[in-house]
Amino acid sequence: AQSVTQLGSHVSVSEGALVLLRCNYSSSVPPYLFWYVQYPNQGLQLLLKYTTGATLVKGINGFEAEFKKSETSFHLTKPSAHMSDAAEYFCAVYSFGNEKLTFGTGTRLTIIP
Amino acid sequence: GAGVSQSPSNKVTEKGKDVELRCDPISGHTALYWYRQSLGQGLEFLIYFQGNSAPDKSGLPSDRFSAERTGGSVSTLTIQRTQQEDSAVYLCASSLDQGMGGYTFGSGTRLTVV
Repeated sequence: AQSVTQLGSHVSVSEGALVLLRCNYSSSVPPYLFWYVQYPNQGLQLLLKYTTGATLVKGINGFEAEFKKSETSFHLTKPSAHMSDAAEYFCAVYSFGNEKLTFGTGTRLTIIP
Repeated sequence: GAGVSQSPSNKVTEKGKDVELRCDPISGHTALYWYRQSLGQGLEFLIYFQGNSAPDKSGLPSDRFSAERTGGSVSTLTIQRTQQEDSAVYLCASSLDQGMGGYTFGSGTRLTVV
């Protein structure tokens, strides 16, 4: 069965600093991987996804993620944090067996002015 | 519609009462999912509808929870005899096909059982 692990339930970075949110996956087949963002009192919004092809994926709001098969990782990065990036971020992997996304437990990102 | 619509956005109910939560998916999306998000927790899968197939109910936490999807579109999640531990945000999502491209989520229903 596919699963994801997000390291760090809370991450704080200074405004303008690099954002790095970690996600490792477990999958017996080539994975389809996703990052979602959830702003307060809202649903989840798709940031980016990796299915096949280029391993460096660019998403909305300046975020990107790189699929690294050798490290079973799909870390989310942004070169320069903005106050508006404060939110909760979820990594997810698609399971072909049961046709569902399995989500990580989330990482709450705080931006320090 | 343009997005996934959930209603009500907030619901406060007394312990022991039944509640119904509604989800209106994106037109043309064949798959519909319900998730539960408790305070400080991740997303807990509840139930999945795909076209006219029998739903995957494997995530429903107890027989007090049920859901239906009428006409392959609108879905209703029903919680009977609500308990305080049912307090959470209930999120609905829909997708094309089997969801390999990702889901589109609604804004959720915040349920508070007092």
